[in-house]
Amino acid sequence: EVQLVESGGGLVQPGRSLKLSCLASGFTFSNYGMNWIRQAPGKGLEWVASISSSSSYIYYADTVKGRFTISRDNAKNTLYLQMTSLRSEDTALYYCARHSWDYWGQGVMVTVSS
Amino acid sequence: DVVLTQTPPTLSATIGQSVSISCRSSQSLLHSNGNTYLHWLLQRPGQSPQLLIYLVSRLESGVPNRFSGSGSGTDFTLKISGVEAEDLGVYYCVQGTHAPLTFGSGTKLEIK
Repeated sequence: EVQLVESGGGLVQPGRSLKLSCLASGFTFSNYGMNWIRQAPGKGLEWVASISSSSSYIYYADTVKGRFTISRDNAKNTLYLQMTSLRSEDTALYYCARHSWDYWGQGVMVTVSS
Repeated sequence: DVVLTQTPPTLSATIGQSVSISCRSSQSLLHSNGNTYLHWLLQRPGQSPQLLIYLVSRLESGVPNRFSGSGSGTDFTLKISGVEAEDLGVYYCVQGTHAPLTFGSGTKLEIK
C-alpha cells in the first residue's frame, strides 16, 4: 500500500525555521518526482515546490523562492521541505504528493505566529 | 503564470443529477510532447485531495465511471453523470504543462 506520511509541523514564530519530512512507502520512491503543496485555512491549493526523482530538477513557487528548500534522500525514502524566514502567510496545511498527483499525504499543519 | 479559471465556484445538485465544471486556462495546455497535463482532483471535507482524472480524460484507477473529463487547448470540463452523496467536496483542476504548476480556485459541490 502506497503511503506518504508528513511530519515536522507545528507552531513557530515569524522569522524562524522549520523542516518538514514526508516518509514514503509502498512504492519505489526513487522513481518518482515529488511535490509539496499547501492549503491555507479555508483556502484553495497552492503548489509550493517540486523535485525530480534524482534531484536534478527543482522548482519553487515565487512566494517561497529563496526561503524554502526542497530536497530528498532516496536511500531513506524521504522528501523534505526546509522552511526559513517564515511569515504569517506561510500558515497552512502542507501536503506532499507524488508528481503524478495519484497519492497524497494526510498533511501537516504549520502555524506561523508570535 | 498560467491562470486556471474554474466555474461555477459553487454548485448545488440533487442526487442523480448530472453536473459539469469548467476549467479555462489562460494559455494552451498542449505540451510540445503532445500531452495535455490537465488533471482533476476532489477534496472531500477534512480529507486530502484525490486524483479523479488525469491527462484531460483518463479515469484514475478506482474512480467511478460517472466521472469524465473532456476538452483541449484552453477549455476543459469535468462531468459527473449522476451525482451521489459521496461526491460532495471541492473540485480542483491542476495543470502541469507550464511551470509553475497551478491550480484552479476550486468548485464546491453541495448536495441538496
